[in-house]
Amino acid sequence: QKEVEQNSGPLSVPEGAIASLNCTYSDRGSQSFFWYRQYSGKSPELIMSIYSNGDKEDGRFTAQLNKASQYVSLLIRDSQPSDSATYLCAVRLSGGSYIPTFGRGTSLIVHP
Amino acid sequence: DGGITQSPKYLFRKEGQNVTLSCEQNLNHDAMYWYRQDPGQGLRLIYYSQIVNDFQKGDIAEGYSVSREKKESFPLTVTSAQKNPTAFYLCASSPRDRGDTQYFGPGTRLTVL
Repeated sequence: QKEVEQNSGPLSVPEGAIASLNCTYSDRGSQSFFWYRQYSGKSPELIMSIYSNGDKEDGRFTAQLNKASQYVSLLIRDSQPSDSATYLCAVRLSGGSYIPTFGRGTSLIVHP
Repeated sequence: DGGITQSPKYLFRKEGQNVTLSCEQNLNHDAMYWYRQDPGQGLRLIYYSQIVNDFQKGDIAEGYSVSREKKESFPLTVTSAQKNPTAFYLCASSPRDRGDTQYFGPGTRLTVL
């Protein structure tokens, strides 16, 4: 069973729309949650971190965490073509290691 | 201008040769990591180091070796024992007080011919 799961996509949205990216995780005791953006051929860039239930907003990005349902989401408002990338979810699972486990990523395409 | 540098950006090697990938950081981070990324795959942890002169195996350490002689440097050697070395290699680091927050270098794309 995958510990951190993401739909590989691609998720295609029109410019200006809200893109919703989802991530589920298997470990109920997970503590820290991260979203990375990775452009094609480039390295991942940290864009959001969230540690407690609820929403966390940063500009056009909102991370939503629901520990009871074991999912974390990333909303991108007013999507732009420059948001087209792969979005990786990373979760610090419980059980000793502080190193997060990465999902396979969801490809987002924002078309004009 | 703090950050993580990796060199080279692209590397081509013949099968059977050992290669060493460089990773340097000037963020004063204690911990450093090496990941491998294959198409359609998530990041897989190869090795990590929390302090100088100490390192631990990750999930896929076979065929790889590392050293941590300086806080700033964490080179990765891909040995001939690695069965399928062609991949995108990412180095990362994290600060002492937030070890689960990883910052990545630009990556090295290794192709074994």
